[in-house]
Amino acid sequence: EAGVVQSPRYKIIEKKQPVAFWCNPISGHNTLYWYLQNLGQGPELLIRYENEEAVDDSQLPKDRFSAERLKGVDSTLKIQPAELGDSAVYLCASSLGGENEQYFGPGTRLTVT
Amino acid sequence: QKEVEQNSGPLSVPEGAIASLNCTYSDRGSQSFFWYRQYSGKSPELIMSIYSNGDKEDGRFTAQLNKASQYVSLLIRDSQPSDSATYLCAVNSRAWVRGFKTIFGAGTRLFVKA
Repeated sequence: EAGVVQSPRYKIIEKKQPVAFWCNPISGHNTLYWYLQNLGQGPELLIRYENEEAVDDSQLPKDRFSAERLKGVDSTLKIQPAELGDSAVYLCASSLGGENEQYFGPGTRLTVT
Repeated sequence: QKEVEQNSGPLSVPEGAIASLNCTYSDRGSQSFFWYRQYSGKSPELIMSIYSNGDKEDGRFTAQLNKASQYVSLLIRDSQPSDSATYLCAVNSRAWVRGFKTIFGAGTRLFVKA
């Protein structure tokens, strides 16, 4: 069974530029999470989807971040415009729903210069 | 007070010893708990989940949960150098938004000496 797929794996952009990350969850997993992880810290939740509905986006900086999960499968996270402080690893995870185990993709390492 | 706390380490143990990793959480209503392993430069990998008080064993790993004391621990028996990684504790804390919110600790770095 394929795991969570993310792309790109690495991205270097200049500040004020837009950037987008894509995630394909494990087949059949209706819950999808986007996390941000800074060096030496645990992942911090940005947004949680149940099917196509964003059920928790309370930690998403909505002035510059947006996300969508069309048709309840793939998801895209966008930053526009990027700031230096956005440099981090962006992780996507999926689960069967409820409070079940979450499985992570390889992440996207973003560097904003 | 952080919602999920872990000792940052590093915790250093000799090969073959038992490594004990601890995690405390603040939300008494939390119902599900997870341990993840994260190698440097990689994403978190699920090791164990635990939902009920007591012990849960899976190979060399044992998760222990004590809801009354609000702590969860991970024991690694017969530690191997390949176990050297950061171990993340995750707790599904109660939240007004659709029931729960997953909160991770900052992780404990484990170093197993050959």
